[in-house]
Amino acid sequence: GESVGLHLPTLSVQEGDNSIINCAYSNSASDYFIWYKQESGKGPQFIIDIRSNMDKRQGQRVTVLLNKTVKHLSLQIAATQPGDSAVYFCAENMSQFYFGTGTSLTVIP
Amino acid sequence: KAGVTQTPRYLIKTRGQQVTLSCSPISGHRSVSWYQQTPGQGLQFLFEYFSETQRNKGNFPGRFSGRQFSNSRSEMNVSTLELGDSALYLCASSLGGLSDTQYFGPGTRLTVL
Repeated sequence: GESVGLHLPTLSVQEGDNSIINCAYSNSASDYFIWYKQESGKGPQFIIDIRSNMDKRQGQRVTVLLNKTVKHLSLQIAATQPGDSAVYFCAENMSQFYFGTGTSLTVIP
Repeated sequence: KAGVTQTPRYLIKTRGQQVTLSCSPISGHRSVSWYQQTPGQGLQFLFEYFSETQRNKGNFPGRFSGRQFSNSRSEMNVSTLELGDSALYLCASSLGGLSDTQYFGPGTRLTVL
């Protein structure tokens, strides 16, 4: 089966700093990627997506970078806020989505 | 536009019982997928329904089944519950299927005692 993994299970950052969450995907044929945010007691929430024909995509305070050469995906959160504390996981798509296990981000006030 | 809704939010059952979970997709979405989420395992795909037909199925035993109604609402059933079935069950809807963005509901937390 597919394997989607994140580099760190937990990450702590100071409020106001930038956060970088990394993800390695396994299949070079994957053509669509999504980052989700999951807060405690809630379902995953779509943050940002990127197609394989792009290297970078920006949203509001978030940027996703895609490096197809090393099959690596990252999520950058600018000026991290306490409300950003959650589990973040990536998903790669090749006919269906395969999800990583997530990185738990804690924002320290 | 209302999001994906799931009922109930919490369930406690005992081994051997069966359970039915319900999911209402985003209006206009015809694809409904079900996922199991457990600590350390990530989201595991159960199955996908589109226009009342199961189109895709993950690697789960036959105790896990589902169906979709003409209004796109979906139910998932688990029979003969086992302790290992304790998990968060998530429903996701999308416009066209598994290659489209999945929008998730809040999930049903199932505890099997």
